[in-house]
Amino acid sequence: EAGVTQFPSHSVIEKGQTVTLRCDPISGHDNLYWYRRVMGKEIKFLLHFVKESKQDESGMPNNRFLAERTGGTYSTLKVQPAELEDSGVYFCASSQAGDGGQFFGPGTRLTVL
Amino acid sequence: GDSVTQMEGPVTLSEEAFLTINCTYTATGYPSLFWYVQYPGEGLQLLLKATKADDKGSNKGFEATYRKETTSFHLEKGSVQVSDSAVYFCALSPNDYKLSFGAGTTVTVRA
Repeated sequence: EAGVTQFPSHSVIEKGQTVTLRCDPISGHDNLYWYRRVMGKEIKFLLHFVKESKQDESGMPNNRFLAERTGGTYSTLKVQPAELEDSGVYFCASSQAGDGGQFFGPGTRLTVL
Repeated sequence: GDSVTQMEGPVTLSEEAFLTINCTYTATGYPSLFWYVQYPGEGLQLLLKATKADDKGSNKGFEATYRKETTSFHLEKGSVQVSDSAVYFCALSPNDYKLSFGAGTTVTVRA
């Protein structure tokens, strides 16, 4: 069974540009989460989807970030326009049950210059 | 809000040494507690969890006990191996969905 996959693995963009990150959860997992780790700090929760619906987006930092999960399968996280402080590693995770045991992808390392 | 504090690393040990990574938390209510591990080049993996006070989670020789009175969830392993070299994250969840993580502790085990 394939795990959670994320694309791209690395992205380097200039300030003001747009970047879209993609996450493919484990097949059949209704719950999908986005997290990010900035500059070696704590991994911070961004948002939680249940199927195609946003269940909790309390961690989204501002309106430059837009997450979607059309059809309840893969998800995208768009940053527009990107700022320097958006640099970090963006993790996606998925789970079937709400038992806290989430399966994480390898992350996308975003560098904004 | 909810938060997790774990001991800062890095931690360097010799094989067969005893490992302890301290973790304390602040939360309202009774969260579930987790340890995740990230091996080099891989994503985070759930190592163990505990959902209520006095529960002990265990996996791969690692153990942690949910201590409500001290709001702690320290990770221990009696005899580490080189393959245990990784970054360890303590985490909590108030609702079994959203996770709040500690800063992570890098552990290096030398042969």
